[in-house]
Amino acid sequence: DTEVTQTPKHLVMGMTNKKSLKCEQHMGHRAMYWYKQKAKKPPELMFVYSYEKLSINESVPSRFSPECPNSSLLNLHLHALQPEDSALYLCASSQDGPGGIQETQYFGPGTRLLVL
Amino acid sequence: TQLLEQSPQFLSIQEGENLTVYCNSSSVFSSLQWYRQEPGEGPVLLVTVVTGGEVKKLKRLTFQFGDARKDSSLHITAAQPGDTGLYLCAVTTDSWGKLQFGAGTQVVVTP
Repeated sequence: DTEVTQTPKHLVMGMTNKKSLKCEQHMGHRAMYWYKQKAKKPPELMFVYSYEKLSINESVPSRFSPECPNSSLLNLHLHALQPEDSALYLCASSQDGPGGIQETQYFGPGTRLLVL
Repeated sequence: TQLLEQSPQFLSIQEGENLTVYCNSSSVFSSLQWYRQEPGEGPVLLVTVVTGGEVKKLKRLTFQFGDARKDSSLHITAAQPGDTGLYLCAVTTDSWGKLQFGAGTQVVVTP
């Protein structure tokens, strides 16, 4: 099973709402990622988790709050977002070995978020 | 300045034609990856190239890594509508798995 699943597929929220995006993988991967992708642009890294610990935060605003409750799950909690945060949010995972995180990342289908 | 420069940005061709997408950099990489992304989906890994001068084939797709490991190309022979998508090259820039993408090439193949 090389699948990364994400829910919901689409999300519309107001600027005062609180919502969460969910990501799940059962490949035994210990590295998980959140990316943001605007239309016609490549994905941009937001966060990296390795062994359920936050390894990289790419200076993401605090209105985005990641959480890794266990090795298979990754959440992204959203609060007080702005319309410019509307984008496709992608989750990915990869192996994590003694020499560092392996390069092959498997992506989920993404959550398309619209902030009104 | 982008770490990876992809060209062209957009390519529209007829079914049966050939096309080449380029990914260039002034930096040397230990490996480089190519992804294809279809609308509404996440990127899917096509290939990882590791050795300078390496050529890898995946059906009608041919990938080449430059001798100096600074650039790569993707050639599609006899393109089909199913090849339509955003083609992205990417490199891992640290041991934490930080993946940096090129800007992408949007390929449209019309019947």
